[in-house]
Amino acid sequence: QITLKESGPTLVKPTQTLTLTCTFSGFSLSTSGVGVGWLRQSPGKAPEWLALIYWDGDKRYRSSLKSRLTITKDTSKNQVVLTMTNMDPVDTATYYCAHSIRGPRCSGSPCYYFDYWGQGTLVTVSS
Amino acid sequence: QSVLSQPPSASATPGQRVTISCSGSGSNIGSNFVYWYQQLPGTAPKLLIYRNTERPSGVPDRFSGSKSGSSASLAISGLRSEDEADYYCSVWDDSLGGLWMFGGGTKLTVL
Repeated sequence: QITLKESGPTLVKPTQTLTLTCTFSGFSLSTSGVGVGWLRQSPGKAPEWLALIYWDGDKRYRSSLKSRLTITKDTSKNQVVLTMTNMDPVDTATYYCAHSIRGPRCSGSPCYYFDYWGQGTLVTVSS
Repeated sequence: QSVLSQPPSASATPGQRVTISCSGSGSNIGSNFVYWYQQLPGTAPKLLIYRNTERPSGVPDRFSGSKSGSSASLAISGLRSEDEADYYCSVWDDSLGGLWMFGGGTKLTVL
């Protein structure tokens, strides 16, 4: 079955760079129509999508955060890494990685959705 | 304030039917598939409905989704206490370079 797990620091200081790793099993990120995304959820708020990397290496970023985000994949290790620079207290949230799949008879980003999520990791930004 | 509007709360008694709405626009719900997620306290969101009306394996048929124009709805029939959770609609939005959007969420209370 598909599982994902996030790992990384629980506390970062303002202006530091956050690096999170998503380790997954049950699927291959080299399979056509598959992606892995990162989302976050601040306490009491709705989830917010951050980035997604597709099976073919293509990447998508939330435009408002694009300058701060980098997503990469290591297919051999079944890992996806997200880095976010210049962290601020408003970035305090639970960060999730999620498996994304493309629906049938459909192409392009709108056809992908998040069907399996990791348990999430809480990242606090504070000095 | 989210581009996708959901009522912040809903409530019903066990056995009843409840509907949660999600209102958007032509650049999101009006032109793309809608997804619904259930989030139990302290857990990650779980996919409940995909491509407007489809249920993943394991999701009871008490849960159903619909879409009309730029609005969508999630209906839960035969309400159970374990359905008490936050529910979020989600959709791809073609504006702002394209991004996945989430509604503000609806807290469902089973009285």
